Amino acid sequence: AQSVTQLGSHVSVSEGALVLLRCNYSSSVPPYLFWYVQYPNQGLQLLLKYTSAATLVKGINGFEAEFKKSETSFHLTKPSAHMSDAAEYFCAVSDLRTSYDKVIFGPGTSLSVIP
Amino acid sequence: SQTIHQWPATLVQPVGSPLSLECTVEGTSNPNLYWYRQAAGRGLQLLFYSVGIGQISSEVPQNLSASRPQDRQFILSSKKLLLSDSGFYLCAWSPGDGQKLFFGSGTQLSVL
Repeated sequence: AQSVTQLGSHVSVSEGALVLLRCNYSSSVPPYLFWYVQYPNQGLQLLLKYTSAATLVKGINGFEAEFKKSETSFHLTKPSAHMSDAAEYFCAVSDLRTSYDKVIFGPGTSLSVIP
Repeated sequence: SQTIHQWPATLVQPVGSPLSLECTVEGTSNPNLYWYRQAAGRGLQLLFYSVGIGQISSEVPQNLSASRPQDRQFILSSKKLLLSDSGFYLCAWSPGDGQKLFFGSGTQLSVL
């Protein structure tokens, strides 16, 4: 069965500092991997996705993530945090063996940005 | 372009009352539709998914039910709400290619 773990339920960074949000997955087949962001009282929106092309994936708002098969990781980074980056971030893996888009989400990491 | 509408945005209901949350998608046909629940401080739990009209699958046993009376309409219901039904409910759709989910803006349900 596929699963996703996110190390750290809450991460705080200073404005302008590096953002690193960790994600590890388990999957018996090559996965599709995603990062979604959720602002307070809103739905989720896609930041970026890995679908077996380039291992370094660039997304919106300056975020990027690197797929490392040997480490089963898909960590999210941004060189310089902005106040507007404060939100909940979810890593997710898609089980492509199902007839529907079965997406398994991690528990989420809440990012705070300190001015 | 495709859009997804979900309402109401917030809802406060007494224990034992019925529930109906509605979700509609525009600009696409035959989407896969999903209902997720997000409890406070927790991740997303898939409740129901549908790959076509009248086709509903449940991921977890619960006090809720779902229906898809039209191609682009997905309804989440309950006959009698429990306190444990409180949470943030999200509707989503996908084209069925494993690439992406598109989420609605969510409904914050408080059962008192």
